[in-house]
Amino acid sequence: KAGVTQTPRYLIKTRGQQVTLSCSPISGHRSVSWYQQTPGQGLQFLFEYFSETQRNKGNFPGRFSGRQFSNSRSEMNVSTLELGDSALYLCASSFLAGGETQYFGPGTRLLVL
Amino acid sequence: QKEVEQNSGPLSVPEGAIASLNCTYSDRVSQSFFWYRQYSGKSPELIMSIYSNGDKEDGRFTAQLNKASQYVSLLIRDSQPSDSATYLCAVKYNNNDMRFGAGTRLTVKP
Repeated sequence: KAGVTQTPRYLIKTRGQQVTLSCSPISGHRSVSWYQQTPGQGLQFLFEYFSETQRNKGNFPGRFSGRQFSNSRSEMNVSTLELGDSALYLCASSFLAGGETQYFGPGTRLLVL
Repeated sequence: QKEVEQNSGPLSVPEGAIASLNCTYSDRVSQSFFWYRQYSGKSPELIMSIYSNGDKEDGRFTAQLNKASQYVSLLIRDSQPSDSATYLCAVKYNNNDMRFGAGTRLTVKP
């Protein structure tokens, strides 16, 4: 089985721009969770989608949003980028909602200048 | 505020020794506990999960959970240089909220 894939792998944006990241889960997995990882804050939960519905949301501003499509692929959008949004964005897929075993993708490294 | 705390390290052990990684969490209503390993520049991978008090062994890895003390640990026996990585403790709460600790960086010296 192919693993979790994320595109793009690297992005450079400037403040004020917006960005969309994509995640394709493992085939058959219907849950996708998104995380932000920074050296200072560690791995922080953004949100989880299951069957096209957001099930859970972390403590991030409304500039961070997401969606999931009928094929379970998910996108994450960040609007009005700030310097502090520079991070590694990881998605993880699991078979069940709130799934115990999460498989992480390789991540998208975003740099905001 | 749900917190998961780990000693950031770095923790350095000689090859063949036991590495002990510790994690405490602040919320008693916690459901499941996980240890992930993250190599530099890579994404986290799950190595152990534990749900009830006591020890759980998997090869060279042993996870220990004490819910009364709100403490979970990971022991790595016969540590190898390939075990050098950052180890992330994660706690899943009853609302399915998953929280990660900041990670402990482990270095195993040959």
